[in-house]
Amino acid sequence: ILNVEQSPQSLHVQEGDSTNFTCSFPSSNFYALHWYRWETAKSPEALFVMTLNGDEKKKGRISATLNTKEGYSYLYIKGSQPEDSATYLCAFTSGTYKYIFGTGTRLKVLA
Amino acid sequence: KAGVTQTPRYLIKTRGQQVTLSCSPISGHRSVSWYQQTPGQGLQFLFEYFSETQRNKGNFPGRFSGRQFSNSRSEMNVSTLELGDSALYLCASSRAGLATDTQYFGPGTRLTVL
Repeated sequence: ILNVEQSPQSLHVQEGDSTNFTCSFPSSNFYALHWYRWETAKSPEALFVMTLNGDEKKKGRISATLNTKEGYSYLYIKGSQPEDSATYLCAFTSGTYKYIFGTGTRLKVLA
Repeated sequence: KAGVTQTPRYLIKTRGQQVTLSCSPISGHRSVSWYQQTPGQGLQFLFEYFSETQRNKGNFPGRFSGRQFSNSRSEMNVSTLELGDSALYLCASSRAGLATDTQYFGPGTRLTVL
């Protein structure tokens, strides 16, 4: 059974701080790594799909990097705002398995 | 463009009963996947349907089943409900269900089994 791990499980940051989380995944038979943001009482919202080693994606203050050789991805948030408070999920897809999700990093941004 | 819709949003059942959940994907999307989320667990993949055929299945007992109709709408059925089936059930649609496709999620159905 393939495992996707995210760290930390949760964190609290002050408004204006920059922060980052990690997603670790199996490095074999890699197809794509997906990042989602899941706000309370809403549906998970897609942030990025990353496929190539060394990929970097950016959306506003949020960016992500990908290392498929060592099996990790980082998500960065620059200048965190209270509206960034959410659970951030990553999901790994391989040739065999459809989406395998990590348990997420719960971010709380304090005003 | 309308998003993914799921009905009902909330459901309370008792042990031994069965339940059917419904998912309407985004127009033009042919792949529908179902996930279960329980406290402390990530989203667990149940199954994926594409063009009315189940293409992938997660590690769940046979009590969990699904189907997809010609208009891509999908239903999920759980028979002989157990307390442990209490969870949030999410469906997600994508254009073709490729590993690189973005999945769009519905709001979920919260199932409580008493």
